[in-house]
Amino acid sequence: GAGVSQSPRYKVAKRGQDVALRCDPISGHVSLFWYQQALGQGPEFLTYFQNEAQLDKSGLPSDRFFAERPEGSVSTLKIQRTQQEDSAVYLCASSLFPDRAWGYTFGSGTRLTVV
Amino acid sequence: GQQVMQIPQYQHVQEGEDFTTYCNSSTTLSNIQWYKQRPGGHPVFLIQLVKSGEVKKQKRLTFQFGEAKKNSSLHITATQTTDVGTYFCAGNYGGSQGNLIFGKGTKLSVKP
Repeated sequence: GAGVSQSPRYKVAKRGQDVALRCDPISGHVSLFWYQQALGQGPEFLTYFQNEAQLDKSGLPSDRFFAERPEGSVSTLKIQRTQQEDSAVYLCASSLFPDRAWGYTFGSGTRLTVV
Repeated sequence: GQQVMQIPQYQHVQEGEDFTTYCNSSTTLSNIQWYKQRPGGHPVFLIQLVKSGEVKKQKRLTFQFGEAKKNSSLHITATQTTDVGTYFCAGNYGGSQGNLIFGKGTKLSVKP
């Protein structure tokens, strides 16, 4: 695709509900990243994939967060038993090569509100 | 842990004035990237700096990487209303290739 596509754009979840956020990276991009951005803050790293391999998940805040990229393209970030502190914008980014000289291309994000 | 500090948090300027935002790390960076996020938008990549003392220019924007690779700056000459947004630096420490550490950003507003 022309850009990184994320869905849904907005998600309201009741506390305790499970959610799944989808990311469609730019076709052929090897690297895929998930970031969490709270209001008025910079993006915070969650996890990184190179093709289907999850190379770094050190930023996932708890074991309620799980990400996968089974075929090396589309990725899903799943949050189980959502809490109010999970409310944020979840950004997905992709990059052509692991070398970040190209920078990351971010999607428009999914704004998650937990009520 | 590793942290990238960015100042100022906010900057209000009159159109035509210059603007500078600064990033600082307590430990040496492998490289640093800069992004711009318009209100309601997502971060857009501007540039990457890799070499000690590197200076790069993009029209009215000048990016610098310090000699010790611990600090960086973005300078905009003669701001325009189209420059409005939040500017983030993001540093990589050479470990995980994916783990960019973002600063909190500098929110720039430009009064016409």
